[in-house]
Amino acid sequence: QVQLVQSGAEVKEPGASVKVSCKASEDTFTNYYAIHWVRQAPGQRLEWMGWINAGKGNTKYSQNFQGRVTITRDTSASTAYMELSSLRSEDTAVYYCAREVWGTKDIHYWGLGTLVAVSS
Amino acid sequence: QTVVTQEPSFSVSPGGTVTLTCGLNSGSVSTTYYPSWYQQTPGQAPRSLIYNTNTRSSGVPDRFSGSILGNKAALTITGAQADDESDYYCLLYMDSATYVFGTGTKVTVL
Repeated sequence: QVQLVQSGAEVKEPGASVKVSCKASEDTFTNYYAIHWVRQAPGQRLEWMGWINAGKGNTKYSQNFQGRVTITRDTSASTAYMELSSLRSEDTAVYYCAREVWGTKDIHYWGLGTLVAVSS
Repeated sequence: QTVVTQEPSFSVSPGGTVTLTCGLNSGSVSTTYYPSWYQQTPGQAPRSLIYNTNTRSSGVPDRFSGSILGNKAALTITGAQADDESDYYCLLYMDSATYVFGTGTKVTVL
């Protein structure tokens, strides 16, 4: 059974950065999978943020984040990371990681989500 | 700016059929957008239902089906059950290798 285990909730001040981790089963970090990051503000729709090819490490991001988001992975730790900088109150949301079998466009397995609250 | 639109809400009777749609402000949705559909209940992570327009994800009952209807992607629930009451999101793959979620549809079964 594939599991994606995300890091715990965070509270950050405006202007700070946050880095959320997503630990997956070891076979995930090959060229055969991508890890996506999706967020959901309270009461709002899902918003796609970006993906990383788990093996090659190449990435693609939504333009909505204007260079504020960086997705990385550490294959030795079987972990992917999403860092969001210059936080503002509108970034308060649950952040999900999810796995896609590369090229299928099926974002099938999801983590439980990490709440990031931005407040002064 | 790409906007993917869905009906805000639908109500369906138990055993009934409902079709949700997913449209694009810049034109028609076709199979080249690889439309996929996700179900989400409050407080839970999304669940994959349909990918690549009409392929059911593993474990998804066959009362869920995907298609292209006219210029939109569509998700049809046939024989709705109480536990189908959820939010449903479509997701489109863009030619820039990015994705965009739809605005979401709240389905009520009553």
